[in-house]
Amino acid sequence: EAGVTQFPSHSVIEKGQTVTLRCDPISGHDNLYWYRRVMGKEIKFLLHFVKESKQDESGMPNNRFLAERTGGTYSTLKVQPAELEDSGVYFCASSQAQFPNYGYTFGSGTRLTVV
Amino acid sequence: AQRVTQPEKLLSVFKGAPVELKCNYSYSGSPELFWYVQYSRQRLQLLLRHISRESIKGFTADLNKGETSFHLKKPFAQEEDSAMYYCALSHDTGGFKTIFGAGTRLFVKA
Repeated sequence: EAGVTQFPSHSVIEKGQTVTLRCDPISGHDNLYWYRRVMGKEIKFLLHFVKESKQDESGMPNNRFLAERTGGTYSTLKVQPAELEDSGVYFCASSQAQFPNYGYTFGSGTRLTVV
Repeated sequence: AQRVTQPEKLLSVFKGAPVELKCNYSYSGSPELFWYVQYSRQRLQLLLRHISRESIKGFTADLNKGETSFHLKKPFAQEEDSAMYYCALSHDTGGFKTIFGAGTRLFVKA
């Protein structure tokens, strides 16, 4: 089975530009999560989709971040306009069950650098 | 607030030595605890979860509710164990997100 796929693997953009990250979950996984690790800090929750609906977006830092999951398949996370503090690694994960007591399957992450 | 604390950012041991990666959590209910690992140039992956009481790659972790700890242990470290280890907590109230610790980098020296 194909794993969770994230694209791009790396992105370097200038402050003020827009970047869109993409995540393709494992086929059949209704639950999709976005997490972020800022340099030297813990991995923090951003939001959780169940199919195309946002179940929990309490971790989104501000309104410069917009996540979508049209059709309940892949998801995009757009940062517009990007700021220096947005730099970090953005992880996507998916799971079959809504409560991840079996753990997540993670993508390889997108390393975002804002200069 | 729920929190996961990994007090050591870096842990360096010799091959064959025992290793213990510490994890403490704060949560008043009954959480699910996990250890995730990220090897060099690989993706973050689940190592083990407390509900299954399993041993993976020689690692075990026991949930101690009295001490609110979930330390990861291995009696004899191997060089291939060198990686970043994250302790994580999930709970079924207030949403289904997972809370991660800051991670401990384990370096096993030859």
